[in-house]
Amino acid sequence: DVKVTQSSRYLVKRTGEKVFLECVQDMDHENMFWYRQDPGLGLRLIYFSYDVKMKEKGDIPEGYSVSREKKERFSLILESASTNQTSMYLCASSFPDRGPLRGYTFGSGTRLTVV
Amino acid sequence: DQQVKQNSPSLSVQEGRISILNCDYTNSMFDYFLWYKKYPAEGPTFLISISSIKDKNEDGRFTVFLNKSAKHLSLHIVPSQPGDSAVYFCAASEGGATNKLIFGTGTLLAVQP
Repeated sequence: DVKVTQSSRYLVKRTGEKVFLECVQDMDHENMFWYRQDPGLGLRLIYFSYDVKMKEKGDIPEGYSVSREKKERFSLILESASTNQTSMYLCASSFPDRGPLRGYTFGSGTRLTVV
Repeated sequence: DQQVKQNSPSLSVQEGRISILNCDYTNSMFDYFLWYKKYPAEGPTFLISISSIKDKNEDGRFTVFLNKSAKHLSLHIVPSQPGDSAVYFCAASEGGATNKLIFGTGTLLAVQP
């Protein structure tokens, strides 16, 4: 079974802090994604990466950056956390050759609260 | 601009009855459609998918219908079970190498025993 592991289930950070959310997958997937889930807004794509050191902005990249130095690890960085970044953050990965109908494998999520 | 919409935030159904969850999209370039199920404090899990060349796909109790001309898809669950209570997200993709999925806002399904 493919595993996508997010390092923290719950995080509480202060406004202005730099926050790192880590995601690791164990199936050699090329594509990795970061989404946030908010009530009434569904899942919104923040950033994605289709190869090591490659990244592309999603629909809501403002206030975030990412790092992919190794294929298995994709980090989301909140440069200066703000209260409107309080959310559930979900990491996902996929293997392009699986085809678009197989979808992504998601991690369990990180519930981030910024106070 | 919400490209994938789920207009019903919640749905309540009796156990054993049919659950119908609906999804609309605006982007005519979408060719692949997926449904995910999400329990609280867990990541979404893939449920069923369909490509634009089909109008129906069935997997056990779950059937997805696609009406491309109306840009509408629906997920039917029959019979519904209490364990089906979760948030359901529809998602769409144009395909391609990165296969970027655009998700809807979700529908909370409650199956009453």
